[in-house]
Amino acid sequence: EVQLVESGGGLVQPGGSLRLSCEASGFTFSSYWMGWVRQTPGKGLEWVANINQDGNEEYYVDSVKGRFTVSRDNARNSLYLQMNSLRAEDTDVYYCTKLDYRRIDYWGQGTLVTVSS
Amino acid sequence: DVALTQTPLSLSVTPGQPASISCKSSQSLLHSDGRTSLFWYLQKPGQSPQLLIYEISNRFSGVPDRFGGSGSGTDFTLKISRVEAEDVGVYYCMQTIQLPWTFGQGTKVEIK
Repeated sequence: EVQLVESGGGLVQPGGSLRLSCEASGFTFSSYWMGWVRQTPGKGLEWVANINQDGNEEYYVDSVKGRFTVSRDNARNSLYLQMNSLRAEDTDVYYCTKLDYRRIDYWGQGTLVTVSS
Repeated sequence: DVALTQTPLSLSVTPGQPASISCKSSQSLLHSDGRTSLFWYLQKPGQSPQLLIYEISNRFSGVPDRFGGSGSGTDFTLKISRVEAEDVGVYYCMQTIQLPWTFGQGTKVEIK
C-alpha cells in the first residue's frame, strides 16, 4: 500500500523559512517522479513543484520560483520542500504527491503551513 | 497557463440518480504521444484528493464502475451513473499537458 506521510508544517513569520518532509513507503521511491501540491483550506488546488527520479530535474510554479526548492533522498525514501522568504499567501495545506506518467496517482494527508506574524 | 473551467460548481443529487460534471480546457490536452492529459480527482470531506479517472476515461485502481469519463481535445465530462452517499465531496479536473499543471475550480457534490 502506497503511503506518503508529510511533516514539518507549522506557524512561521513572514520572511521566515520552513522545510517540509514526506516519507514514502509501499513502492520503489527511486523509480518515480514526486511532487508537491498545495491547497488553501476550503479552496482549490495549486500545483507547486515536481522532481524527477534522480533529483536533477525540477519544475516549479512561477509564484514560488527562487524561494522554494524541492529535493529528495532516495536512500531515505524521502521528499523535501525547502520554503524560504515565506509570504502570507503561502499559507496552505501542502500535499506530497507520487507521480506516474504525467499523473498524480497518490497524495499524502497534507501538512498545514501558516505564515503569520 | 492552461485554464480549466468546471461546471456546475455545485450539484445536489438524489441517491441513485446520475450526475455529470463538465471540464473545459483553454487548449487541447492531447499530447504528441496520443494520450490526453486530463484527470479527475475526488476530495472527500476531511481527506486528501484521490485519483478517480486518468487520461479521460480510465478508472484508477479500486474506483467503482459507476464512475466514467469521456471527451476529447478541450471538452471533458465526468459522469456518475448512480450517485451514492459516499460520493459526496469536491471533484476536480486536472491537466498535465503543460507546466504549470492546473486544476479546475472544483465541483461540490452533495446528497439531497
